[in-house]
Amino acid sequence: QLQLQESGPGLVRPSETLSLTCAVSGGSTSNNDNYWGWIRQSPGKGLEWIGSMSHSGHAHNNPSLQSRVTISIDTSKNQFSLKLSSVTATDTAVYYCARRRIGIFGNEFDYWGQGALVTVSS
Amino acid sequence: DIQLTQSPSSVSASVGDRVTITCRASQDINTWLAWYQQKPGKAPKLLIYAATSLESGVPSRFSGSGSGTDFTLTISSLQPEDFATYYCQQSNNFPLSFGGGTKVEIK
Repeated sequence: QLQLQESGPGLVRPSETLSLTCAVSGGSTSNNDNYWGWIRQSPGKGLEWIGSMSHSGHAHNNPSLQSRVTISIDTSKNQFSLKLSSVTATDTAVYYCARRRIGIFGNEFDYWGQGALVTVSS
Repeated sequence: DIQLTQSPSSVSASVGDRVTITCRASQDINTWLAWYQQKPGKAPKLLIYAATSLESGVPSRFSGSGSGTDFTLTISSLQPEDFATYYCQQSNNFPLSFGGGTKVEIK
């Protein structure tokens, strides 16, 4: 059974860089049929896709965050990471890592981490 | 960008009721639509993919229909564990996007 687990600081200062890592177990980040990515949910709000990347380095990011987002994969450690620069209070959210399954008929998120609350505050 | 509009935003229903949730896309997305269930404090759970395909392990009381711009998620007989918020998500175009959610509450 695939499992994903986020880790990283729960508090980030404004203007600094948010950094989260997602450890993958029970499966491999080297699988060709999957992308690995991040989704966030602001308190009491809906879901926002941040971006995703394949093990070969093929990436897609949300243009609304594009210039601030870096997603990377370390297949040797079977984990992937998110960096979001120049954060403000509006970046306060629960950040989920998730696997995006690539199929003939859809690209859906079939496995999710439990979520990590990141608060941006001085 | 493709906008997904869900309706209603909330619905009150009783155990055993049939519940239908609608998701409308701002442009044709063929059948590139998934549905998720989220309970408080938990990650979303995939229910339906490719508009109509039931994810493995999901009860058969959940079903999806639609193509193009109009989609529905139906719960045929609501169970106590189904009270949650439901989201649709499109993967036809980048950026991937989610609907605003529909909260299913106890009547």
